[in-house]
Amino acid sequence: EAGVVQSPRYKIIEKKQPVAFWCNPISGHNTLYWYLQNLGQGPELLIRYENEEAVDDSQLPKDRFSAERLKGVDSTLKIQPAELGDSAVYLCASSLVVTGELFFGEGSRLTVL
Amino acid sequence: QKEVEQDPGPLSVPEGAIVSLNCTYSNSAFQYFMWYRQYSRKGPELLMYTYSSGNKEDGRFTAQVDKSSKYISLFIRDSQPSDSATYLCAMSDRGSTLGRLYFGRGTQLTVWP
Repeated sequence: EAGVVQSPRYKIIEKKQPVAFWCNPISGHNTLYWYLQNLGQGPELLIRYENEEAVDDSQLPKDRFSAERLKGVDSTLKIQPAELGDSAVYLCASSLVVTGELFFGEGSRLTVL
Repeated sequence: QKEVEQDPGPLSVPEGAIVSLNCTYSNSAFQYFMWYRQYSRKGPELLMYTYSSGNKEDGRFTAQVDKSSKYISLFIRDSQPSDSATYLCAMSDRGSTLGRLYFGRGTQLTVWP
């Protein structure tokens, strides 16, 4: 069974440029998460989806970050414009149910110059 | 003060040693406690999952939860070089933040042959 797939794995951009990350969850997993992991820190939740609905986006900086999950499967996380402090790893995870085990992708590592 | 505190280490032990990792937390509503292992440039993977207080054993790994002290531990027996990774504790509740995991910052472990 394929795991959570994320792309790109690495992205280097200049500040003020836009960037987008894509996530394909495990088939059948209705719950999808985007977590942010800064260097030397644990992941922090940005947004959680139940099917197409964003049910917890209280930690998402909505002035520059946006996310969507069309058709309740794949999801895209966008940053526009990127700032130096956005350099981090963006992790996508999915679970069968909200109280179930989270399966993480390998992450998208962003460097903003 | 963060909700979950974890000593980042680094921790370096010889092969075969018993490793003790721990976290403290401040939110008494946390009921689900997890330990994740994260290899370099990979996503976290679930090691142990416990509900409320008590012990849980799985092979060389034992997780302990003491809710009265707000303290959780992970013990690794007969440690192996392949155990070298960052270990993240995580926890959640069933209240308004259902589905959101709160992570510690991780403890970096090296097991040398």
